[in-house]
Amino acid sequence: DVKVTQSSRYLVKRTGEKVFLECVQDMDHENMFWYRQDPGLGLRLIYFSYDVKMKEKGDIPEGYSVSREKKERFSLILESASTNQTSMYLCASRRAAGGNYEQYFGPGTRLTVT
Amino acid sequence: SQELEQSPQSLIVQEGKNLTINCTSSKTLYGLYWYKQKYGEGLIFLMMLQKGGEEKSHEKITAKLDEKKQQSSLHITASQPSHAGIYLCGARIQGAQKLVFGQGTRLTINP
Repeated sequence: DVKVTQSSRYLVKRTGEKVFLECVQDMDHENMFWYRQDPGLGLRLIYFSYDVKMKEKGDIPEGYSVSREKKERFSLILESASTNQTSMYLCASRRAAGGNYEQYFGPGTRLTVT
Repeated sequence: SQELEQSPQSLIVQEGKNLTINCTSSKTLYGLYWYKQKYGEGLIFLMMLQKGGEEKSHEKITAKLDEKKQQSSLHITASQPSHAGIYLCGARIQGAQKLVFGQGTRLTINP
């Protein structure tokens, strides 16, 4: 059974704090993604990673960075959290080749920045 | 502007009624994915469509991709409270490696 887990379901942080969101997948997938989801805007891609130590900016990378030191783990970092980063954060993974591009999603982390 | 437009954005139906959600693009869709999301949770994969004219069903949910591969519809027959949630379409568009997503449709089923 495929599994993508995220470190926290709910998180409350203060403005200016450094925030780490962790995502782990157990499917040996090469590709991993971080999205944020906001009402009326759907899912927007922040960063993605094709493989270990590889990363590419998505559509809204400003204010975020990522780390992929191991294949199964993809971390999203908010260097200095701001209130406009309050959102639902979703991690996903998929196989790079031989599949149908289906992405498997984690349960999400609802981050509130006060 | 969104590359994938979903309509309606919100839908309230009486239990037992049928409903349709649409997902439209101005570009050719290479792979169209429907996901369902329970409030405050992650996305659950429902169906994938790839070929023009393709139609798939799972229980009371049917999804179609039009012949031009620019529009998909999700149809629920005899809706139940368990169908409530947010439905999102995602797609690869004209050779893009990433998926793009619609803004979602929030479905409420009234008993």
